[in-house]
Amino acid sequence: AQKITQTQPGMFVQEKEAVTLDCTYDTSDPSYGLFWYKQPSSGEMIFLIYQGSYDQQNATEGRYSLNFQKARKSANLVISASQLGDSAMYFCAMREGISGGSYIPTFGRGTSLIVHP
Amino acid sequence: DTEVTQTPKHLVMGMTNKKSLKCEQHMGHRAMYWYKQKAKKPPELMFVYSYEKLSINESVPSRFSPECPNSSLLNLHLHALQPEDSALYLCASSQEDSGIKETQYFGPGTRLLVL
Repeated sequence: AQKITQTQPGMFVQEKEAVTLDCTYDTSDPSYGLFWYKQPSSGEMIFLIYQGSYDQQNATEGRYSLNFQKARKSANLVISASQLGDSAMYFCAMREGISGGSYIPTFGRGTSLIVHP
Repeated sequence: DTEVTQTPKHLVMGMTNKKSLKCEQHMGHRAMYWYKQKAKKPPELMFVYSYEKLSINESVPSRFSPECPNSSLLNLHLHALQPEDSALYLCASSQEDSGIKETQYFGPGTRLLVL
């Protein structure tokens, strides 16, 4: 079973509009961390935002916010006021608190976002 | 400064060549990673180094040989590669390799083409 599911292979948004990219996860560990990365066509994976399983508040970083719904096991990325430069692949990832071993990150399949002018 | 550098940016090699990919970070991170990424797919973990020791090898073929000469440097030696090894090779680092908060910082990648 996939640990990270991103159900939207592609998304389109108008410039200056907000967009939500979906991410659901599967873990039985109470301790885990969730990450979003952006990958433009140049290839570099850029860290955007982090949410810990015990964090009481949803994470925010500038125009990025994470809609964390723990009971639903979802961690959706919200990008407000989209810009043309936001066009990229977006990956959701998770680190679980596996005792006794390395916390190997697991990545979702990604969502391709295209921002239209 | 959250910068990871990788050289070369692009590499074309024949199946009999030997080449190396280089990765460098100066953030004092003690964990470094190699990933392979095919187009429109997520990155696949290849190797993890923790405190300059190989801690994870994800069953990678022996034609890929990692090396961590010191805490800032990570190399990937390539020998007798196959065309299906053509991909984007990403290096990443994090403060440690354990812990749910450990954010990985990635380099720009090396685009490898094997002919």
